[in-house]
Amino acid sequence: AQRVTQPEKLLSVFKGAPVELKCNYSYSGSPELFWYVQYSRQRLQLLLRHISRESIKGFTADLNKGETSFHLKKPFAQEEDSAMYYCALGGASGSRLTFGEGTQLTVNP
Amino acid sequence: GAVVSQHPSWVICKSGTSVKIECRSLDFQATTMFWYRQFPKQSLMLMATSNEGSKATYEQGVEKDKFLINHASLTLSTLTVTSAHPEDSSFYICSATDGLAGGLPDTQYFGPGTRLTVL
Repeated sequence: AQRVTQPEKLLSVFKGAPVELKCNYSYSGSPELFWYVQYSRQRLQLLLRHISRESIKGFTADLNKGETSFHLKKPFAQEEDSAMYYCALGGASGSRLTFGEGTQLTVNP
Repeated sequence: GAVVSQHPSWVICKSGTSVKIECRSLDFQATTMFWYRQFPKQSLMLMATSNEGSKATYEQGVEKDKFLINHASLTLSTLTVTSAHPEDSSFYICSATDGLAGGLPDTQYFGPGTRLTVL
């Protein structure tokens, strides 16, 4: 069974501080991990996916198969990063996504 | 590119009536569409997966006769909540994939959601 765990429902940091949003997964196959972000009153949108190995808006995430983790990191948080972040797990091509519970990030001035 | 729209954005109906929600891919052909339900301050719960021209695949615990899904074209899927009751009040979100990932898992593009309130 697929499962995604985001242990922190709320995370608050100050502007300029590093931020790490934790995500752990459980999956028997080869995982495909995503981070989606939902800004206030906006739709869910893709932030990054591990297969792309890219950095979006200064965020990076590394898949650690040994620890079954896909934590999202940014070295210097900005106020505009305040949003709800969801980690999601997919399997084979075109398959359903399993979402974590989400972490509400607040970046204080 | 890859824009998904939903209509209506919100709807209020009386208990016992049926409500239809549309999900459209505006600039791509969606091989697969997904329907989610989201309760306040909670995560997205997948309700069903629909492929164009096929019957939808429902997740465990989701009543297929209650939530009718039709995916008649590559750009349109509809979710009909039949005989709606107050407990069906929720935020319904659709997503779509274009199947162009070349064997890799597809990115899902999300609609803005539809707020359903059943009185």
